[in-house]
Amino acid sequence: QKEVEQNSGPLSVPEGAIASLNCTYSDRVSQSFFWYRQYSGKSPELIMSIYSNGDKEDGRFTAQLNKASQYVSLLIRDSQPSDSATYLCAVNIPSQGSGTYKYIFGTGTRLKVLA
Amino acid sequence: DAGITQSPRHKVTETGTPVTLRCHQTENHRYMYWYRQDPGHGLRLIHYSYGVKDTDKGEVSDGYSVSRSKTEDFLLTLESATSSQTSVYFCASSGGAVEQFFGPGTRLTVL
Repeated sequence: QKEVEQNSGPLSVPEGAIASLNCTYSDRVSQSFFWYRQYSGKSPELIMSIYSNGDKEDGRFTAQLNKASQYVSLLIRDSQPSDSATYLCAVNIPSQGSGTYKYIFGTGTRLKVLA
Repeated sequence: DAGITQSPRHKVTETGTPVTLRCHQTENHRYMYWYRQDPGHGLRLIHYSYGVKDTDKGEVSDGYSVSRSKTEDFLLTLESATSSQTSVYFCASSGGAVEQFFGPGTRLTVL
């Protein structure tokens, strides 16, 4: 079982609609959760981080975390063609014994916003 | 954005040659990471460092070694490059269990 799973898409939404991106993770000790946006040929860019259950809003973006269900989502309101990209979900996991941290990424969901 | 640079940005090399990629960060972050990104696999962790001279393996570490002699620099070495190591390599840094920031990437082609 993959540690972080995302639907690869593509997810197509019309301009102005809400895009909903989902991610599940398997490691219950995960502490921190992140959403990155990656345009083709570019590096991942952090857009949201969330550390506790519930919703976190930042502009048009809302991250939702449910640790009991091991589920994190990203909502993009008023989607724009410029939001078309691949969205990566990442989970921060403590490394056993070393007291260090590593990040596990999903394979990403490709979002297409249609003008 | 965190100041992270990678060099070179593009490299073409031949099978069997050694290759070193460099990552430099100006954020004084304790943690640094090397990933490779391939179609269908997403970002996979190669090695990471949690301090000067402190490193650990990731999920795809075979054929790679790393070194960190200064907080700001993290080197990735392919001792003898193979075609399967053709990929895009990203360096990242973080202060701990918080946001991780990425460099611009290095596109490596092994012929």
